[in-house]
Amino acid sequence: IAGITQAPTSQILAAGRRMTLRCTQDMRHNAMYWYRQDLGLGLRLIHYSNTAGTTGKGEVPDGYSVSRANTDDFPLTLASAVPSQTSVYFCASSTGTGGTDTQYFGPGTRLTVL
Amino acid sequence: GQNIDQPTEMTATEGAIVQINCTYQTSGFNGLFWYQQHAGEAPTFLSYNVLDGLEEKGRFSSFLSRSKGYSYLLLKELQMKDSASYLCAAMDSNYQLIWGAGTKLIIKP
Repeated sequence: IAGITQAPTSQILAAGRRMTLRCTQDMRHNAMYWYRQDLGLGLRLIHYSNTAGTTGKGEVPDGYSVSRANTDDFPLTLASAVPSQTSVYFCASSTGTGGTDTQYFGPGTRLTVL
Repeated sequence: GQNIDQPTEMTATEGAIVQINCTYQTSGFNGLFWYQQHAGEAPTFLSYNVLDGLEEKGRFSSFLSRSKGYSYLLLKELQMKDSASYLCAAMDSNYQLIWGAGTKLIIKP
């Protein structure tokens, strides 16, 4: 693995179902992020983690949860999916040193909730 | 509130120069990022400015004016592969990125 991987690539989900989007990085980055991207809107931060064992809420956290048990993995869970959660989800990571802290993105997961 | 504004779409000709503008309002400021995003792909990092002035990197340059809350991305010698969306993002006082909606750049031969 080189960089950030996300799984699945795409998914169609029935409303009310539980879903976990996976994200793994091999760059030993401290910070990780989950964004959603919707047409006409900028990337919106869902949750973030500055270091393993800690998480924080972003701009649009409702309906989502995350965990950060180790440095490499940062799964995003939708407990009970709703159609408004149809979106493209990007995971990103950075060194977490602030300032020139460039975020590197995974390839994304395209989620459709019916 | 925090806000990033950039044009929704721009069109330019292959070989020409295009300037994509971005204005920002954030709670505190720790720098301005530009990312490129091809359709169906992830954003990729282009540039970072934290001091006023122009940063040049090959065919791409980025400018920042902190007093005006303004940045631009300048693309020279446009190529067809430059057709993409360009995302402006400002880092606030909490080191979180506030993203613009992106500018879709269409390159015509």
